Amino acid sequence: GQQVMQIPQYQHVQEGEDFTTYCNSSTTLSNIQWYKQRPGGHPVFLIQLVKSGEVKKQKRLTFQFGEAKKNSSLHITATQTTDVGTYFCAGGSGTYKYIFGTGTRLKVLA
Amino acid sequence: DVKVTQSSRYLVKRTGEKVFLECVQDMDHENMFWYRQDPGLGLRLIYFSYDVKMKEKGDIPEGYSVSREKKERFSLILESASTNQTSMYLCASSFYGMEQYFGPGTRLTVT
Repeated sequence: GQQVMQIPQYQHVQEGEDFTTYCNSSTTLSNIQWYKQRPGGHPVFLIQLVKSGEVKKQKRLTFQFGEAKKNSSLHITATQTTDVGTYFCAGGSGTYKYIFGTGTRLKVLA
Repeated sequence: DVKVTQSSRYLVKRTGEKVFLECVQDMDHENMFWYRQDPGLGLRLIYFSYDVKMKEKGDIPEGYSVSREKKERFSLILESASTNQTSMYLCASSFYGMEQYFGPGTRLTVT
């Protein structure tokens, strides 16, 4: 079945350093979504990418969707303590359901 | 704002009990989902529903069933709870192909 792998599982960075998490699907995706889950909270939608090679920015966050639509990345520039949490990608295959990656837990050290 | 509510934040049940987890959304979303979240495994889809009385199995449906009698309400049922069903359960809703809105989660402990 379809699998979505996400790396790294954990990342500790000093405040001000950059951070990247990568998402890889075993099959071609129709779109990909990214979510953030704060400690003790629930996942909150960040963005959706649909087009091959698409790049979208939200302030210090940059999201990319690969040309083959099988991988994606989230890059945070100059991390802040408010960036702490777990980041999930969710791959859509054109049906109702999405397959979530295992998540990357980010810890930012002040 | 979209609101997804779940009936309990914390629940403790005994092995063999029948457990009902309820989820209600207020945005007229067609799609509703039940996930379980375990450390290191991310979110795994148990069941989803794309319309009233319609349901489809997700990746880990064994030991669970669901009910959707009204559009706004999606229930997850554990027919006979077991200790390996101790987990965080998250409900979500969405329009087709759009972002999912999650409820606060129910942390279920089966002893």
